[in-house]
Amino acid sequence: DTGVSQDPRHKITKRGQNVTFRCDPISEHNRLYWYRQTLGQGPEFLTYFQNEAQLEKSRLLSDRFSAERPKGSFSTLEIQRTEQGDSAMYLCASSQQGWTGELFFGEGSRLTVL
Amino acid sequence: AQSVTQLDSQVPVFEEAPVELRCNYSSSVSVYLFWYVQYPNQGLQLLLKYLSGSTLVKGINGFEAEFNKSQTSFHLRKPSVHISDTAEYFCAVLIDTDKLIFGTGTRLQVFP
Repeated sequence: DTGVSQDPRHKITKRGQNVTFRCDPISEHNRLYWYRQTLGQGPEFLTYFQNEAQLEKSRLLSDRFSAERPKGSFSTLEIQRTEQGDSAMYLCASSQQGWTGELFFGEGSRLTVL
Repeated sequence: AQSVTQLDSQVPVFEEAPVELRCNYSSSVSVYLFWYVQYPNQGLQLLLKYLSGSTLVKGINGFEAEFNKSQTSFHLRKPSVHISDTAEYFCAVLIDTDKLIFGTGTRLQVFP
């Protein structure tokens, strides 16, 4: 299967700890997106990359959040000093340049902060 | 700002009955609208999209949606649902040609 993969699928951590999620997009896709989804809500845009360049960050992304895509392939999303409000599903998606709205999503990484 | 509103958080329906999931958008410019589906324990996948042209758009699994500019709506319909259609459905709008903004979702529950 060559779809979008995310790791880990589930992460339970204590408040104050740092966590990192990884996303491997579809290989020929140069755009990569991070979304966050909480219970009963739709996915909320966090940030996106075109190749290695981070082109936009949502104001939802506080200073504790950082995302990278160093070689234009996989991406990491790090949350420092986690808070209970960070508990959510973190979704990664990828697309081709010149796209018209079709994002290919991974299954998500669920974070639970105790 | 462009956005979408899904008024129905849950829609229960019996198998083989028709269903309509409502989506309204707000935009002062041309819109590109989408429906995505999320099956239990799976990632979101594209159901259908409206970019231009015919206002009636057909998607996968027998779903269709109609773009209505006067009513600023993009409702999703299926004439006869199946148990396997039980899922969360999200309406979305393309912003600045580079990111999707999603509605809050509608949970379709199909009963036998």
